[in-house]
Amino acid sequence: SAVISQKPSRDICQRGTSLTIQCQVDSQVTMMFWYRQQPGQSLTLIATANQGSEATYESGFVIDKFPISRPNLTFSTLTVSNMSPEDSSIYLCSVGVGSEQYFGPGTRLTVT
Amino acid sequence: AQKITQTQPGMFVQEKEAVTLDCTYDTSDQSYGLFWYKQPSSGEMIFLIYQGSYDEQNATEGRYSLNFQKARKSANLVISASQLGDSAMYFCAMREAWGGGADGLTFGKGTHLIIQP
Repeated sequence: SAVISQKPSRDICQRGTSLTIQCQVDSQVTMMFWYRQQPGQSLTLIATANQGSEATYESGFVIDKFPISRPNLTFSTLTVSNMSPEDSSIYLCSVGVGSEQYFGPGTRLTVT
Repeated sequence: AQKITQTQPGMFVQEKEAVTLDCTYDTSDQSYGLFWYKQPSSGEMIFLIYQGSYDEQNATEGRYSLNFQKARKSANLVISASQLGDSAMYFCAMREAWGGGADGLTFGKGTHLIIQP
């Protein structure tokens, strides 16, 4: 398995500002994944982050809105830029270990 | 078309009864993986069980088992002897192109399970 931590655990932000979410894993992993869970909804993959290359974004998500960094094999950040109330969600990072996939505790973001 | 379908938005079950949560999937890949997660009200995603498309036996983890019917494209989660602490949202998910974790997951809409005393 993997132990994944995220910072912050929650935040309340004003519209138009940006928030950077950090994800730390206790072991080296090739891929890290970022998901969004809007209120009452399921999880949606935002992007896949591979160390040393640009993140790959899913349809409906763009780099300008959700820039991702992956400076090493244990760490990644997701920035939610120019926030609006529609960005209020739980943001989760995830890693694959063998065939299994584990999630961090999530960052609960509220945009006012 | 939805890739993961969970047809039970909510379920009420008596404590100590067995529970079956339904999940059907749609893929043209030969190699894929199927996952079940539990999400309590705290919001964390707890990994429960994994089944690879080439695994011949159904996966089991403690009280959890996955009833994998490949021809039907079905991957139901069975919880034996349910407990009050099993009350949570349950999500079925799939990873296509089984490549050792190189691809993200597609999730179903979830089933809200409530265990009643």
